[in-house]
Amino acid sequence: AQSVTQLGSHVSVSEGALVLLRCNYSSSVPPYLFWYVQYPNQGLQLLLKYTSAATLVKGINGFEAEFKKSETSFHLTKPSAHMSDAAEYFCAVSLTGGYQKVTFGTGTKLQVIP
Amino acid sequence: KAGVTQTPRYLIKTRGQQVTLSCSPISGHRSVSWYQQTPGQGLQFLFEYFSETQRNKGNFPGRFSGRQFSNSRSEMNVSTLELGDSALYLCASRPLAGGAEQFFGPGTRLTVL
Repeated sequence: AQSVTQLGSHVSVSEGALVLLRCNYSSSVPPYLFWYVQYPNQGLQLLLKYTSAATLVKGINGFEAEFKKSETSFHLTKPSAHMSDAAEYFCAVSLTGGYQKVTFGTGTKLQVIP
Repeated sequence: KAGVTQTPRYLIKTRGQQVTLSCSPISGHRSVSWYQQTPGQGLQFLFEYFSETQRNKGNFPGRFSGRQFSNSRSEMNVSTLELGDSALYLCASRPLAGGAEQFFGPGTRLTVL
Protein backbone atom coordinates (compact mmCIF):
# COMPACT_ATOMS: atom_id res chain seq x y z
CA ALA A 1 0.00 0.00 0.00
CA GLN A 2 1.15 3.53 -0.68
CA SER A 3 0.97 6.59 1.56
CA VAL A 4 1.83 10.27 1.51
CA THR A 5 2.99 12.57 4.29
CA GLN A 6 2.85 16.33 3.96
CA LEU A 7 4.93 18.13 6.55
CA GLY A 8 3.28 21.26 7.86
CA SER A 9 -0.45 21.79 7.64
CA HIS A 10 0.13 25.56 7.39
CA VAL A 11 3.02 27.40 5.73
CA SER A 12 3.45 31.17 5.60
CA VAL A 13 5.79 32.97 3.23
CA SER A 14 6.31 36.59 2.30
CA GLU A 15 5.40 37.73 -1.17
CA GLY A 16 8.45 37.23 -3.40
CA ALA A 17 9.99 34.59 -1.14
CA LEU A 18 10.69 30.98 -1.98
CA VAL A 19 7.81 28.55 -1.59
CA LEU A 20 8.71 25.06 -0.37
CA LEU A 21 6.00 22.54 0.42
CA ARG A 22 7.18 19.13 1.59
CA CYS A 23 5.87 15.75 0.55
CA ASN A 24 7.25 12.31 1.39
CA TYR A 25 5.79 9.14 0.00
CA SER A 26 5.88 5.49 0.82
CA SER A 27 5.53 2.96 -1.95
CA SER A 28 6.78 -0.56 -2.56
CA VAL A 29 7.25 0.15 -6.27
CA PRO A 30 8.03 3.30 -8.30
CA PRO A 31 4.90 5.41 -8.06
CA TYR A 32 3.16 8.16 -9.93
CA LEU A 33 3.20 11.39 -7.91
CA PHE A 34 1.02 14.46 -8.21
CA TRP A 35 0.59 17.92 -6.75
CA TYR A 36 -2.84 19.53 -6.75
CA VAL A 37 -3.99 23.00 -5.68
CA GLN A 38 -7.37 23.90 -4.27
CA TYR A 39 -8.72 27.43 -4.05
CA PRO A 40 -11.58 28.18 -1.65
CA ASN A 41 -14.90 26.59 -2.60
CA GLN A 42 -13.40 24.93 -5.66
CA GLY A 43 -12.30 21.48 -6.70
CA LEU A 44 -8.69 20.38 -7.00
CA GLN A 45 -6.58 21.41 -9.98
CA LEU A 46 -3.52 19.49 -11.13
CA LEU A 47 -0.29 21.48 -10.78
CA LEU A 48 2.14 18.84 -11.99
CA LYS A 49 2.78 15.11 -12.15
CA TYR A 50 5.70 12.69 -12.08
CA THR A 51 5.34 9.52 -14.14
CA SER A 52 8.90 8.12 -14.17
CA ALA A 53 10.26 10.37 -16.89
CA ALA A 54 12.35 13.41 -15.89
CA THR A 55 12.92 13.69 -12.15
CA LEU A 56 12.48 17.49 -12.22
CA VAL A 57 8.92 18.22 -13.18
CA LYS A 58 7.67 21.65 -14.17
CA GLY A 59 4.05 22.56 -13.67
CA ILE A 60 1.69 25.44 -14.10
CA ASN A 61 1.98 28.86 -12.42
CA GLY A 62 5.78 28.57 -12.04
CA PHE A 63 5.75 25.57 -9.72
CA GLU A 64 8.09 22.63 -10.01
CA ALA A 65 8.87 19.50 -8.03
CA GLU A 66 11.79 17.12 -7.91
CA PHE A 67 11.43 13.38 -7.48
CA LYS A 68 14.15 12.05 -5.16
CA LYS A 69 13.99 8.31 -4.85
CA SER A 70 16.72 8.08 -2.22
CA GLU A 71 14.80 10.46 0.02
CA THR A 72 11.31 9.25 -1.04
CA SER A 73 10.42 12.89 -1.48
CA PHE A 74 8.54 15.01 -3.99
CA HIS A 75 8.74 18.56 -2.62
CA LEU A 76 6.98 21.42 -4.40
CA THR A 77 8.83 24.69 -4.96
CA LYS A 78 8.32 28.08 -6.53
CA PRO A 79 11.09 30.70 -6.58
CA SER A 80 8.91 33.70 -5.86
CA ALA A 81 5.53 33.61 -4.13
CA HIS A 82 2.60 35.65 -5.43
CA MET A 83 -0.48 36.62 -3.47
CA SER A 84 -2.51 34.49 -5.88
CA ASP A 85 -0.61 31.38 -4.70
CA ALA A 86 -2.50 31.40 -1.40
CA ALA A 87 -4.44 28.14 -1.47
CA GLU A 88 -4.34 24.58 -0.16
CA TYR A 89 -1.92 22.16 -1.78
CA PHE A 90 -2.23 18.40 -1.86
CA CYS A 91 0.38 15.81 -2.69
CA ALA A 92 -0.90 12.48 -4.03
CA VAL A 93 0.53 9.09 -4.95
CA SER A 94 -0.67 6.26 -7.13
CA LEU A 95 0.88 2.96 -8.03
CA THR A 96 1.30 2.28 -11.72
CA GLY A 97 -0.86 -0.05 -13.73
CA GLY A 98 -4.24 -1.60 -13.16
CA TYR A 99 -6.97 -0.16 -11.01
CA GLN A 100 -4.78 1.77 -8.63
CA LYS A 101 -6.30 4.06 -6.04
CA VAL A 102 -4.93 7.60 -5.66
CA THR A 103 -3.92 8.41 -2.09
CA PHE A 104 -3.87 12.06 -1.03
CA GLY A 105 -1.91 13.77 1.71
CA THR A 106 -3.61 15.85 4.37
CA GLY A 107 -2.89 19.10 2.58
CA THR A 108 -0.83 22.21 3.29
CA LYS A 109 -2.43 25.63 3.44
CA LEU A 110 -0.15 28.28 2.01
CA GLN A 111 -0.48 31.82 3.27
CA VAL A 112 1.29 34.59 1.38
CA ILE A 113 2.04 37.70 3.40
CA PRO A 114 2.24 40.99 1.53
CA LYS B 1 -13.66 19.91 -23.82
CA ALA B 2 -16.07 20.43 -20.96
CA GLY B 3 -14.77 19.71 -17.46
CA VAL B 4 -16.21 17.50 -14.76
CA THR B 5 -19.63 18.71 -13.70
CA GLN B 6 -21.38 18.02 -10.44
CA THR B 7 -24.98 18.67 -9.51
CA PRO B 8 -26.29 20.12 -7.39
CA ARG B 9 -23.60 22.52 -6.18
CA TYR B 10 -25.26 23.10 -2.83
CA LEU B 11 -27.66 20.97 -0.84
CA ILE B 12 -29.28 21.26 2.57
CA LYS B 13 -30.86 18.19 4.14
CA THR B 14 -32.01 17.14 7.59
CA ARG B 15 -30.86 14.17 9.63
CA GLY B 16 -32.35 10.87 8.55
CA GLN B 17 -33.00 11.93 4.98
CA GLN B 18 -31.19 10.51 2.00
CA VAL B 19 -29.41 12.34 -0.79
CA THR B 20 -28.19 11.60 -4.32
CA LEU B 21 -25.33 13.51 -5.90
CA SER B 22 -24.51 13.40 -9.59
CA CYS B 23 -21.25 13.61 -11.50
CA SER B 24 -20.65 13.84 -15.24
CA PRO B 25 -17.03 13.07 -16.17
CA ILE B 26 -15.00 14.60 -18.95
CA SER B 27 -15.98 13.11 -22.29
CA GLY B 28 -13.97 9.95 -22.91
CA HIS B 29 -13.08 9.41 -19.26
CA ARG B 30 -14.28 6.06 -18.02
CA SER B 31 -13.16 6.22 -14.40
CA VAL B 32 -15.00 8.24 -11.76
CA SER B 33 -13.92 8.60 -8.13
CA TRP B 34 -15.69 10.20 -5.20
CA TYR B 35 -14.12 11.93 -2.23
CA GLN B 36 -15.44 13.48 0.96
CA GLN B 37 -13.65 16.59 2.17
CA THR B 38 -14.09 18.00 5.67
CA PRO B 39 -11.95 20.41 7.71
CA GLY B 40 -11.24 17.75 10.33
CA GLN B 41 -10.60 14.68 8.18
CA GLY B 42 -9.24 16.22 5.00
CA LEU B 43 -9.77 14.43 1.69
CA GLN B 44 -11.17 10.96 2.19
CA PHE B 45 -11.58 8.47 -0.67
CA LEU B 46 -15.06 6.97 -0.97
CA PHE B 47 -14.97 4.78 -4.07
CA GLU B 48 -13.97 4.55 -7.71
CA TYR B 49 -15.96 3.19 -10.63
CA PHE B 50 -14.65 2.05 -13.97
CA SER B 51 -16.85 0.63 -16.70
CA GLU B 52 -19.85 0.51 -14.35
CA THR B 53 -17.98 -1.60 -11.77
CA GLN B 54 -16.71 -0.47 -8.40
CA ARG B 55 -12.93 -1.03 -8.52
CA ASN B 56 -11.79 0.54 -5.26
CA LYS B 57 -13.51 1.39 -2.02
CA GLY B 58 -12.59 3.50 0.98
CA ASN B 59 -13.49 2.98 4.63
CA PHE B 60 -17.00 4.37 4.77
CA PRO B 61 -20.15 2.77 6.15
CA GLY B 62 -22.65 1.08 3.91
CA ARG B 63 -24.86 4.19 4.01
CA PHE B 64 -22.57 5.53 1.30
CA SER B 65 -23.11 3.91 -2.06
CA GLY B 66 -22.57 4.71 -5.67
CA ARG B 67 -23.09 3.56 -9.18
CA GLN B 68 -21.91 4.30 -12.67
CA PHE B 69 -23.95 4.27 -15.83
CA SER B 70 -23.01 3.09 -19.30
CA ASN B 71 -22.26 6.69 -20.35
CA SER B 72 -19.77 6.92 -17.43
CA ARG B 73 -21.92 9.33 -15.46
CA SER B 74 -21.94 8.47 -11.78
CA GLU B 75 -24.20 8.98 -8.82
CA MET B 76 -23.44 8.80 -5.15
CA ASN B 77 -26.12 8.12 -2.55
CA VAL B 78 -26.03 8.68 1.18
CA SER B 79 -28.90 7.22 3.19
CA THR B 80 -29.95 8.08 6.73
CA LEU B 81 -27.96 11.28 6.82
CA GLU B 82 -26.03 12.21 9.95
CA LEU B 83 -24.73 15.62 11.01
CA GLY B 84 -21.19 14.36 10.36
CA ASP B 85 -21.97 13.83 6.71
CA SER B 86 -21.83 17.58 6.15
CA ALA B 87 -18.94 18.01 3.76
CA LEU B 88 -17.78 18.95 0.31
CA TYR B 89 -18.19 15.93 -1.95
CA LEU B 90 -15.79 15.91 -4.85
CA CYS B 91 -15.96 13.86 -7.98
CA ALA B 92 -12.93 13.20 -10.17
CA SER B 93 -12.57 11.52 -13.53
CA ARG B 94 -9.63 10.07 -15.43
CA PRO B 95 -9.36 8.34 -18.79
CA LEU B 96 -7.78 5.15 -17.44
CA ALA B 97 -8.32 3.35 -14.17
CA GLY B 98 -4.65 3.42 -13.24
CA GLY B 99 -1.88 5.94 -13.39
CA ALA B 100 -3.41 8.91 -15.14
CA GLU B 101 -4.08 12.08 -13.22
CA GLN B 102 -7.56 12.88 -12.00
CA PHE B 103 -9.62 15.87 -13.04
CA PHE B 104 -11.88 17.24 -10.34
CA GLY B 105 -15.28 18.82 -10.45
CA PRO B 106 -16.21 21.85 -8.31
CA GLY B 107 -17.89 19.69 -5.69
CA THR B 108 -21.26 19.51 -4.01
CA ARG B 109 -21.49 21.22 -0.64
CA LEU B 110 -23.83 19.13 1.54
CA THR B 111 -25.11 20.56 4.79
CA VAL B 112 -27.01 18.27 7.15
CA LEU B 113 -29.15 20.02 9.78
